[in-house]
Amino acid sequence: GAVVSQHPSRVICKSGTSVKIECRSLDFQATTMFWYRQFPKQSLMLMATSNEGSKATYEQGVEKDKFLINHASLTLSTLTVTSAHPEDSSFYICSARALSGGYSGNTIYFGEGSWLTVV
Amino acid sequence: GDSVTQMEGPVTLSEEAFLTINCTYTATGYPSLFWYVQYPGEGLQLLLKATKADDKGSNKGFEATYRKETTSFHLEKGSVQVSDSAVYFCALTDVYNQGGKLIFGQGTELSVKP
Repeated sequence: GAVVSQHPSRVICKSGTSVKIECRSLDFQATTMFWYRQFPKQSLMLMATSNEGSKATYEQGVEKDKFLINHASLTLSTLTVTSAHPEDSSFYICSARALSGGYSGNTIYFGEGSWLTVV
Repeated sequence: GDSVTQMEGPVTLSEEAFLTINCTYTATGYPSLFWYVQYPGEGLQLLLKATKADDKGSNKGFEATYRKETTSFHLEKGSVQVSDSAVYFCALTDVYNQGGKLIFGQGTELSVKP
């Protein structure tokens, strides 16, 4: 079946540095990818919607300059956490909407998630 | 806006007990409804889905029926196992109005004891 791969699955970085997380659709094209953030024992909150070839749409309260999203191709979106701080430590997960499959809502696939720890 | 409300956890059951996790939603359009499961330390996995009223989604012994009249999508399983211990998320998407982004409930932690 369809697979969405995220990399890295775990990353530790120092405060003030930037870290990039990749989200790839392995066997389908995804015009739209979504980035979510999950704090421990909490639900997932949508951060932004990433559209191939255009600027991402950020949810209210999400800093665009801090969480840079690039969707350069139909199979890859990246989330870069810039000047990371400990409060950015979280579980980040992407999902991809397949290009085909109509509007039944059954063509959304999740990556495995990426644990970010900022020390 | 659209929203999803789940029963609060944690839910603790003995093995082979009956499970119900309540989920209700509010939506202005015609959403598809989902249950996702997250095992400890892992990402989300789609458990089941329903795309229109009266549809029943089922997988691995879990079931949920899309009830438009009560705006509910309760998750049930007749006999839980220890391996079902996880966090369960109810979610909706209205592809026409929201392009596929998912709105999640707060999650319900299930713990099954032997």
